[in-house]
Amino acid sequence: NAGVMQNPRHLVRRRGQEARLRCSPMKGHSHVYWYRQLPEEGLKFMVYLQKENIIDESGMPKERFSAEFPKEGPSILRIQQVVRGDSAAYFCASSPPGGLFANTGELFFGEGSRLTVL
Amino acid sequence: AQSVTQLGSHVSVSEGALVLLRCNYSSSVPPYLFWYVQYPNQGLQLLLKYTTGATLVKGINGFEAEFKKSETSFHLTKPSAHMSDAAEYFCAASLGNTPLVFGKGTRLSVIA
Repeated sequence: NAGVMQNPRHLVRRRGQEARLRCSPMKGHSHVYWYRQLPEEGLKFMVYLQKENIIDESGMPKERFSAEFPKEGPSILRIQQVVRGDSAAYFCASSPPGGLFANTGELFFGEGSRLTVL
Repeated sequence: AQSVTQLGSHVSVSEGALVLLRCNYSSSVPPYLFWYVQYPNQGLQLLLKYTTGATLVKGINGFEAEFKKSETSFHLTKPSAHMSDAAEYFCAASLGNTPLVFGKGTRLSVIA
């Protein structure tokens, strides 16, 4: 039973390029969450999605960042025109149907995608 | 807004000694509480969680945590540290209808 799958595990981009990070939730899970981890900062919530629907994007930067979770395929976190400050580990998590209300908030995490911007 | 505070960004203990990692939350309503562990270059693994019921919660690898409403705390303990416990530990909280809010983490070092 595969867990949350993220790819790529490591991604290097030059300033101004685009970064796309992918996340496939655990089998049977229909809710996806993206978090960013900066050194000494812990994990910061970015966005919470259900299939074809953004439920909460209160943690997303207003510009250059977007996320989607299409009907078919993985969730994608997209960062346009990357800057050095975007260098971080991006973690995806998933939860079963019903989302937070039904599951006491417990999340299941992937191994993360580590973005380095040169 | 809900927040989670972990006292001590780095804790160092000797092998066999007690491990105590502190976590306090701020919430007018008792939240659901979690401890996750992260090994280098890996994702987060759930150690234990408190939702309702017994306030002393036992988790994996010999860890346990006690929910104290009066102190708004959820400290993590282990009676005897092992070298393999060296990792980063995150306390997190949720009100059940909000995404998990994490503390900044505590890096645990275990000295032989």
